[in-house]
Amino acid sequence: GQQLNQSPQSMFIQEGEDVSMNCTSSSIFNTWLWYKQDPGEGPVLLIALYKAGELTSNGRLTAQFGITRKDSFLNISASIPSDVGIYFCAGQLLTGTASKLTFGTGTRLQVTL
Amino acid sequence: NAGVTQTPKFQVLKTGQSMTLQCAQDMNHEYMSWYRQDPGMGLRLIHYSVGAGITDQGEVPNGYNVSRSTTEDFPLRLLSAAPSQTSVYFCASKLGNEQYFGPGTRLTVT
Repeated sequence: GQQLNQSPQSMFIQEGEDVSMNCTSSSIFNTWLWYKQDPGEGPVLLIALYKAGELTSNGRLTAQFGITRKDSFLNISASIPSDVGIYFCAGQLLTGTASKLTFGTGTRLQVTL
Repeated sequence: NAGVTQTPKFQVLKTGQSMTLQCAQDMNHEYMSWYRQDPGMGLRLIHYSVGAGITDQGEVPNGYNVSRSTTEDFPLRLLSAAPSQTSVYFCASKLGNEQYFGPGTRLTVT
């Protein structure tokens, strides 16, 4: 089955540093979503992107929907210890309830003090 | 409003045993789905349902059955567990483009 290429696989950063991760696909998507998963929990939606070129922020998080509709990136500014977790991108081709998500393989983020 | 709930949180099975993973949501979402999460593989779709009485296969359906008799519940059945089904299982419900996940069930098959 199709999976999205997400990089990097893991990151070790110091508190206060900025973080950038991205997702690429060979297929076009109409929606890009970014999720965060804390240890022992299910993924939680961070940001949803609906239009090519769209740049959306949620606090210290900023995500962009690539112009080609085949990629997206997520930036975290001024990282803090609670940013630790696994970040997943997900793409969706169709809009609406019946459409399925395709997930990336995840980026594991570790933040040291 | 509890969101998406899953039981049990942990389960150990012997090869060949059967069991049902429970999933319920109280948000009246029509779309529900099951994923498995394995190291380095992300989340892979097992089965999904677009409403009561309607189910369909996802990316990795073999060895799993589902049914959807009500909007609220979407159980996942393993008829004869195999070690390859050791994984963390997540149930999710979706409204529009936004999907909400349950806390997961960690299953080990020995």
